[in-house]
Amino acid sequence: GAVVSQHPSRVICKSGTSVKIECRSLDFQATTMFWYRQFPKKSLMLMATSNEGSKATYEQGVEKDKFLINHASLTLSTLTVTSAHPEDSSFYICSAGWDPKGDTQYFGPGTRLTVL
Amino acid sequence: KQEVTQIPAALSVPEGENLVLNCSFTDSAIYNLQWFRQDPGKGLTSLLLIQSSQREQTSGRLNASLDKSSGRSTLYIAASQPGDSATYLCALSGGSYIPTFGRGTSLIVHP
Repeated sequence: GAVVSQHPSRVICKSGTSVKIECRSLDFQATTMFWYRQFPKKSLMLMATSNEGSKATYEQGVEKDKFLINHASLTLSTLTVTSAHPEDSSFYICSAGWDPKGDTQYFGPGTRLTVL
Repeated sequence: KQEVTQIPAALSVPEGENLVLNCSFTDSAIYNLQWFRQDPGKGLTSLLLIQSSQREQTSGRLNASLDKSSGRSTLYIAASQPGDSATYLCALSGGSYIPTFGRGTSLIVHP
């Protein structure tokens, strides 16, 4: 149990377009999901906390108008990279927990975004 | 704020060696600690999850220990193989329940 999926696993897009990444908890309800970004040769960095039914909480330095997060249901959170640029190319990964304290996080397999 | 340090940052060993990867953390108030493997260009693969009440977990050739009092976890890899080459990350979930990751240890096992 406790599977988190992400779609797509890889995406290549042109500069200026928007890309949507989905994060789904397949067999549990997740009140909270987290979005991470991994820079080359660096650790994963938390971008934002996605709460079902409310606005996401963004970490300092993350542009909320560029990285739109929607947590419309207890099993789905989406991250939309708007007007993508080559510097947005990265590995994006989500995680989800099934209780408000979220003491166990389950991670999605990640999405590799390449912006040309 | 939780800080997670992984030592060494990189490791290159011949096949067959037993390895120890270290993960240290500053705040002992954790819920659990996870070890992950990441292959180049791929997502994270969860290897072992240790709850805060546990001291170790084992899976095949892997053994992870947790010592909250000293703020340390170790990942032991027995009889290393070239297929073990990857980056190994530890992540802790604490009072804020947001996982904090270390920078990882890049492991190369050469034949």
